[in-house]
Amino acid sequence: AQSVTQLGSHVSVSEGALVLLRCNYSSSVPPYLFWYVQYPNQGLQLLLKYTSAATLVKGINGFEAEFKKSETSFHLTKPSAHMRDAAEYFCAVRGYNQGGKLIFGQGTELSVKP
Amino acid sequence: EAEVAQSPRYKITEKSQAVAFWCDPISGHATLYWYRQILGQGPELLVQFQDESVVDDSQLPKDRFSAERLKGVDSTLKIQPAELGDSAMYLCASSLGGGDLSYEQYFGPGTRLTVT
Repeated sequence: AQSVTQLGSHVSVSEGALVLLRCNYSSSVPPYLFWYVQYPNQGLQLLLKYTSAATLVKGINGFEAEFKKSETSFHLTKPSAHMRDAAEYFCAVRGYNQGGKLIFGQGTELSVKP
Repeated sequence: EAEVAQSPRYKITEKSQAVAFWCDPISGHATLYWYRQILGQGPELLVQFQDESVVDDSQLPKDRFSAERLKGVDSTLKIQPAELGDSAMYLCASSLGGGDLSYEQYFGPGTRLTVT
């Protein structure tokens, strides 16, 4: 069965510092991987997705993620954090072996200090 | 820009009462999803529709939850009777099709349900 593990339920960085949010996946078939962002009391917005093309994926708001098959990882990064990046971030996986269901991780709350 | 609409945004109900949520997907999106998100957790799929047909409802508590998408457009999710453990955010999402896993799912703002 597919699953996603997000390491660290809370991450705090200073404004201008590097953002690194960790995601490891488990899948027996080539996965499709996604990162979503959720602001308080709102729905989820897609940041970026990996669909077996380039392993380095660039998304919106300056975020990017690198698919590493050998490490089964898909970590999210941003070179310089902004206050507006404070939100909940979810990593998710989809695969045909589970009917294409989107499986989410538990989420990582990002705080940005001035 | 087209958006997924949901109503109400917030709902407070007493346990054992009935409650219903409505979702209007982006026009032209054949696939519609209902998710439940418990505070501090990621969303979990409750039911997936392809047009008016249910594709996956394996995680839907069918003794109390029901979902319909009669004309293959908007959808209603109902809980009867509500229990304290149903307190959560209920998210609706839509996509062009369920067969292509690269298709983005677009999420609505959600309905925050509180059962007292």
